Amino acid sequence: QVTLRESGPALVKPTQTLILTCTFSGFSLTTTEVCVNWIRQPPGKALEWLALIDWEDDKYYTPSLKTRLSISKDTSKNQVVLRMTNMDPLDSATYYCARSDNIASRHGFDSWGQGTLVTVSS
Amino acid sequence: DIQMTQSPSSLSASVGDRVTITCRASQSISKYLNWYQQSPGKAPKLLIYAASTLQSGVPSRFSGSGSGTDFTLTISSLQPEDFTTYYCQQSYTSPLTFGGGTKVEMK
Repeated sequence: QVTLRESGPALVKPTQTLILTCTFSGFSLTTTEVCVNWIRQPPGKALEWLALIDWEDDKYYTPSLKTRLSISKDTSKNQVVLRMTNMDPLDSATYYCARSDNIASRHGFDSWGQGTLVTVSS
Repeated sequence: DIQMTQSPSSLSASVGDRVTITCRASQSISKYLNWYQQSPGKAPKLLIYAASTLQSGVPSRFSGSGSGTDFTLTISSLQPEDFTTYYCQQSYTSPLTFGGGTKVEMK
């Protein structure tokens, strides 16, 4: 059974760096074509894909946030970490991690964490 | 970036109705279109991938069609648990992008 769980601070101040951890089980990030993605959703708004890391440690980012994002993995701990610098109130959202079985999500994001709500406020 | 436009943004329907939601891509994405269902306070759930392939465990009343730029999600007979929000997502190229969502409400 595949499970993912996001963890991190619920509240960050403007200009701070957000660090979120996705801890997963039921699959390995060393398996060919497996990827972990980060996706966010501001309250009442649509989903936005942010970044992914694949089984070969290749990383992909959405261009509009590329300078602020960093994704990494620790395969021994089954964890993926997302860092987002210079947080702004507009970054307030529920952040999800999700699995896909190829870098283009050709078979969709087939498993999701429950999400973690991050509020940016002073 | 490829823009994904869903229509309508909301619709009202009754249990048993046939419902169709449309998703249009700003350029051709071949068959690489996925559909998700999201209930309030929950993570999205994958319904259909590659335009028409039903994800394992998803009821057969859900179906998808289309290719190129125009796609549809059809619910053949709306059930009470289907009154929620649906998103399309293109998986043709990075950055992966979602539509704005369609909320299905009870009439």
